[in-house]
Amino acid sequence: DQQVKQNSPSLSVQEGRISILNCDYTNSMFDYFLWYKKYPAEGPTFLISISSIKDKNEDGRFTVFLNKSAKHLSLHIVPSQPGDSAVYFCAASVMNRDDKIIFGKGTRLHILP
Amino acid sequence: NAGVTQTPKFQVLKTGQSMTLQCAQDMNHNSMYWYRQDPGMGLRLIYYSASEGTTDKGEVPNGYNVSRLNKREFSLRLESAAPSQTSVYFCAIGQGVPQPQHFGDGTRLSIL
Repeated sequence: DQQVKQNSPSLSVQEGRISILNCDYTNSMFDYFLWYKKYPAEGPTFLISISSIKDKNEDGRFTVFLNKSAKHLSLHIVPSQPGDSAVYFCAASVMNRDDKIIFGKGTRLHILP
Repeated sequence: NAGVTQTPKFQVLKTGQSMTLQCAQDMNHNSMYWYRQDPGMGLRLIYYSASEGTTDKGEVPNGYNVSRLNKREFSLRLESAAPSQTSVYFCAIGQGVPQPQHFGDGTRLSIL
C-alpha cells in the first residue's frame, strides 16, 4: 500500500517555463514533507521541505505547496533550467516518531531546449 | 556525496554468493539507513539504525542483514544473493526529522 504517490512517471517542460510536480499521500499522520532531486549515477540530494503547519515554502526558484485537506503537495520550479532535468522524489515523515522517511516512486523531469 | 562513502561502487555476483556492502560517514550523524532503488519502485527502506548498536527493519528486510558496529559505519550483508536483489543500494545518514537525510552515491549490484 503506497503511502506516498507520484502518479506521473515523467514530465517534459520547455526551458524557461514552469515545472509542476505533484505528490499525494494517504497517511494523515504525516506532518513533514520533503523533495529530493536525483541525477543519474548519484545519490538523491535534498531540495526543499515543508512542515504541515505551513502551506507554502519557497527557496529561490523552488516552491512547495501543501494542501492538507486534499493530502496533496506540489513542487513548482520557475523558470525551469536544463540542469533541472533529473528524477524528483517526494517524501513524507512523522516528526518525533522515528527517523523514517517514506519515498514516492519519483517523477523524471525533462527540460526541453 | 560528501560525508557518506559507499564501497564498492559496482559489483557483479553469482546467485548464492555472499556480499557485504559498506557505508561510512564523517558527519557524526546518529541515524544510518540502507535503501534500494529499483526501476519504477522509488526508494525502499531495507534497514535502519537510529544509534550505534541498534538496528530495525524497514519495508523490505528479507534476504538482508545489517551491522552497526560503531557510529561511523553501517554495513549491509547479503548472505545468499538472489537475482531479485539486483538493484542500486543507497546508504543515507540523518539526525532525525526535520533534518533531511544525506545519501551516498550508491552501489550498483547485479546478481546473475
